Amino acid sequence: QKEVEQNSGPLSVPEGAIASLNCTYSDRVSQSFFWYRQYSGKSPELIMSIYSNGDKEDGRFTAQLNKASQYVSLLIRDSQPSDSATYLCAVNPWSNYQLIWGAGTKLIIKP
Amino acid sequence: KAGVTQTPRYLIKTRGQQVTLSCSPISGHRSVSWYQQTPGQGLQFLFEYFSETQRNKGNFPGRFSGRQFSNSRSEMNVSTLELGDSALYLCASSLGEGLNTEAFFGQGTRLTVV
Repeated sequence: QKEVEQNSGPLSVPEGAIASLNCTYSDRVSQSFFWYRQYSGKSPELIMSIYSNGDKEDGRFTAQLNKASQYVSLLIRDSQPSDSATYLCAVNPWSNYQLIWGAGTKLIIKP
Repeated sequence: KAGVTQTPRYLIKTRGQQVTLSCSPISGHRSVSWYQQTPGQGLQFLFEYFSETQRNKGNFPGRFSGRQFSNSRSEMNVSTLELGDSALYLCASSLGEGLNTEAFFGQGTRLTVV
């Protein structure tokens, strides 16, 4: 069974610090990886997508992918209280185009 | 570019009734996926339609069904509603092929069964 694992949290980080969110996946042939942010009561919003090993930066967000170790991470620099949300990791196993979702990590940024 | 549109936004139904939810994907997207989310829970996959065909299905009872039309709009139907069906129902649209399968969500339909 293909799985995506995330620490459920909550992860508490002081304002201005770096928040680090991790995700591991079981399917070695997975090709596409995504991070979504979901505020309470709202729908998930795509933050980052990454397809190749290494880092991908977009503003305060950096996604890191290591296919050999089967993990993908999201770093949020200069964390703001508005970053407080649940972060969902999704993996496309590519075999059937159906995203496999982690359960999400709740992030709390303390002012 | 218009986003994903779900209607209605809110619904209150009585046990035993049925309900139909609608999702209009982003123009050009051929895949529509449906998810159920209850408070504090992750996304539970219902099914996915691609070019009018159900391509993937989750582990939900047969009371949950869907379809997709030629314009890629999708509907989801739940028959014989139960209290446990109260949830946020989300649809996500994507191109559905190739490496780039970024999914974009609608605002969701919040269903309350009383």
